[in-house]
Amino acid sequence: DIQMTQSPSTLSASVGDRVTITCRASQSMSNWLAWYQQKPGKAPKLLIYKASTLQSGVPSRFSGSGSGTEFTLTISSLQPDDFATYYCQHYNSYPYTFGQGTKLEIK
Amino acid sequence: EVQLVESGGALVQPGGSLRLSCAASGFTFRNHWMNWVRQAPGKGLVWVSRISSDGSATSYADSVKGRFTISRDNVRNTLYLQMNSLRPEDTALYFCARVGSIAVIDYWGQGTLVTVSS
Repeated sequence: DIQMTQSPSTLSASVGDRVTITCRASQSMSNWLAWYQQKPGKAPKLLIYKASTLQSGVPSRFSGSGSGTEFTLTISSLQPDDFATYYCQHYNSYPYTFGQGTKLEIK
Repeated sequence: EVQLVESGGALVQPGGSLRLSCAASGFTFRNHWMNWVRQAPGKGLVWVSRISSDGSATSYADSVKGRFTISRDNVRNTLYLQMNSLRPEDTALYFCARVGSIAVIDYWGQGTLVTVSS
């Protein structure tokens, strides 16, 4: 099974900051990686798929990159609505696994 | 508009059983693979199970294999998760999730809460 490791677990930042979250896979998985945003009490929301493709309706300040075993999610200029928990997930093969999550907090 | 509405969550004793349902609307249900994903209180997302569009292929996480069964009714547009031999560690919010044409989970329901406790 492919294991996904996210870092950092928690990230404190301010509105307007540029932030990057990293996700590492235990084995190469091409670019079958997605990023989700989840707010408390809500369902996850798909932000990016295939490592770098922005889901329809997602603001362009979100971007993804990487391939193989290392991937990043970048938010270019944090907005108040972006404070949430972010998860990566591989969909290379079953079982799909998620990273442990990165909680983005207001500094 | 794609809608996924889970139901069936409850408080159940260890060793008990429960069947979750997920009613789908706003898309052609029979064309999509579906998944169950769970989230224990205050914890991260964990994939549980998936089923192919016609129901012929299923997969399970090791933690639920042999205890949980995923199924679907493409006439009723409903996804199910039969959960047997429940354990306290199965306590979680269970999400129904659709696999889109881009092969990734693209829509999620709001979840139904399962609590396993005596």
